[in-house]
Amino acid sequence: GNSVTQMEGPVTLSEEAFLTINCTYTATGYPSLFWYVQYPGEGLQLLLKATKADDKGSNKGFEATYRKETTSFHLEKGSVQVSDSAVYFCALGRKAAGNKLTFGGGTRVLVKP
Amino acid sequence: GAVVSQHPSWVICKSGTSVKIECRSLDFQATTMFWYRQFPKQSLMLMATSNEGSKATYEQGVEKDKFLINHASLTLSTLTVTSAHPEDSSFYICSARDSSRTGSQSGELFFGEGSRLTVL
Repeated sequence: GNSVTQMEGPVTLSEEAFLTINCTYTATGYPSLFWYVQYPGEGLQLLLKATKADDKGSNKGFEATYRKETTSFHLEKGSVQVSDSAVYFCALGRKAAGNKLTFGGGTRVLVKP
Repeated sequence: GAVVSQHPSWVICKSGTSVKIECRSLDFQATTMFWYRQFPKQSLMLMATSNEGSKATYEQGVEKDKFLINHASLTLSTLTVTSAHPEDSSFYICSARDSSRTGSQSGELFFGEGSRLTVL
């Protein structure tokens, strides 16, 4: 079956530090890959996505590249801000499965001034 | 962008009562909505897929009679937690797919802000 594994948090960083959150997946076929962000007290928001191998998704300074050879979709940001403090979820979805998403466990990120 | 709204955002109820949570797509139609449950500091667990005009599809281990799902229109799905008990306390989140989107946008899901249920 499908599964997503991401690094456990919490991850605590200083402002302007480099952030990496590892995500690897197991899936049949060719899934789409997503990063969702959940700010305190809010619902999930799509941060970025990639639909095929070697695609790079990017948004708000965050990037992730779909690596089929390593089955990974690591999230990176070069210089984090306090406002980036949130929980980040890696997820995969397949159209053949009705676009149901399989989520990783989530990684809490805390950015300190 | 597409907006999904849940109501209520939080609810406290007594054990044994039933609670209904609504999920609405405000500016688009959704033939399919998904209901998730999120435990504290844990990931989202898919409970069921709600299909407009037909029965919901439940994931393995989710009690159909406990969590009643109705998707009566293209913009509204409801989750009713029947005879709630303290172990049902959780954060319930719905998501919806815009039926009109095609191509690369066809798979994107939009999430509600979640509903926190506390059963005393």
